[in-house]
Amino acid sequence: DTEVTQTPKHLVMGMTNKKSLKCEQHMGHRAMYWYKQKAKKPPELMFVYSYEKLSINESVPSRFSPECPNSSLLNLHLHALQPEDSALYLCASSQVYPSYEQYFGPGTRLTVT
Amino acid sequence: ELKVEQNPLFLSMQEGKNYTIYCNYSTTSDRLYWYRQDPGKSLESLFVLLSNGAVKQEGRLMASLDTKARLSTLHITAAVHDLSATYFCAVAMDSNYQLIWGAGTKLIIKP
Repeated sequence: DTEVTQTPKHLVMGMTNKKSLKCEQHMGHRAMYWYKQKAKKPPELMFVYSYEKLSINESVPSRFSPECPNSSLLNLHLHALQPEDSALYLCASSQVYPSYEQYFGPGTRLTVT
Repeated sequence: ELKVEQNPLFLSMQEGKNYTIYCNYSTTSDRLYWYRQDPGKSLESLFVLLSNGAVKQEGRLMASLDTKARLSTLHITAAVHDLSATYFCAVAMDSNYQLIWGAGTKLIIKP
């Protein structure tokens, strides 16, 4: 299994809602990443988890809260988002961190209304 | 600070024509990547270039790397409509392998 899966594919939420994005991989990778990609822009790194510990937080606002409950699963909890947070959220994994080889998931298209 | 510049940012071309997308980067790096992204979709890895003079080809796409010039090219031969997409280059930082991305080239191929 060489796949990173993400759910849901699409999410629409209001600014007062709480929701979560989920990412899974079963490749035995010990590093997982969240990226945010605005339309017509390249991806921006948000967080990196290595061995279930947060290694990198690229100064992301606290309304985004990552969680890595085990080595296969990565969540992104969302609360009190703003319309400008609407974007494609991509998850990726790699064998270890740092690593040259990242495997990207299909993404979750988030719309904040 | 590693910077990656891609050009052109937008390219509209006719089917059957050839064209090249350029990716310049500012400091040394061990790896350069090319990705394809269709609208609303995730990133598809096309090529990973590891060394000076590396050339890789897949179908109508060919990528090359000149580490001395800090330049990579993605050449499209006899373009077909299915190649319409946004193409990103990304360079891995030597220190932590973090990817630094170009701005992307939106390619539209008209029948």
